[in-house]
Amino acid sequence: DAGVIQSPRHEVTEMGQEVTLRCKPISGHNSLFWYRQTMMRGLELLIYFNNNVPIDDSGMPEDRFSAKMPNASFSTLKIQPSEPRDSAVYFCASSLVGEQFFGPGTRLTVL
Amino acid sequence: TQLLEQSPQFLSIQEGENLTVYCNSSSVFSSLQWYRQEPGEGPVLLVTVVTGGEVKKLKRLTFQFGDARKDSSLHITAAQPGDTGLYLCASRNTDKLIFGTGTRLQVFP
Repeated sequence: DAGVIQSPRHEVTEMGQEVTLRCKPISGHNSLFWYRQTMMRGLELLIYFNNNVPIDDSGMPEDRFSAKMPNASFSTLKIQPSEPRDSAVYFCASSLVGEQFFGPGTRLTVL
Repeated sequence: TQLLEQSPQFLSIQEGENLTVYCNSSSVFSSLQWYRQEPGEGPVLLVTVVTGGEVKKLKRLTFQFGDARKDSSLHITAAQPGDTGLYLCASRNTDKLIFGTGTRLQVFP
């Protein structure tokens, strides 16, 4: 079975550009999570969805960040405009009950 | 907000040595999970502990949950290069996970 799929795996962009990260959760899972990992702040929850509905977005750093889940098999995290401090690895995870399964992450570099 | 501190932050050891890493919380855990993250990958769940004083074993890994449910330890016996990675503890609150600061382990052959 395929795990959580994220694309792209690497993204390099310039400050001010729009960035869209994509996630396909494991089929049948009903919760989806977006995390950000940096050396300074570790692994932080940004937002999570349950049955495609955003439940908690208190971790979203500011209005430049937005996330959507139009259906059970797809989610996006968008940063507009991007800034150098957004450089990090962004993980998507999905779960059904209890255990969260993480994707391989998207390494974002904003120059 | 619950804060999870892990120690040590970095650990480099030779193959065959034993080691223990720690996770301490500013408040009581409802349940605690340990994850291992290898370079270029996402974290993978190793174990979940729920009851104070609980001990779980996973091959050469022994996980202990403190009696007061505010701390936990992970002990690895006879470490192998394949144990290399970032070890994260996480507090689970309903669907949300709060992760610790992590211990980065390097095991040299």
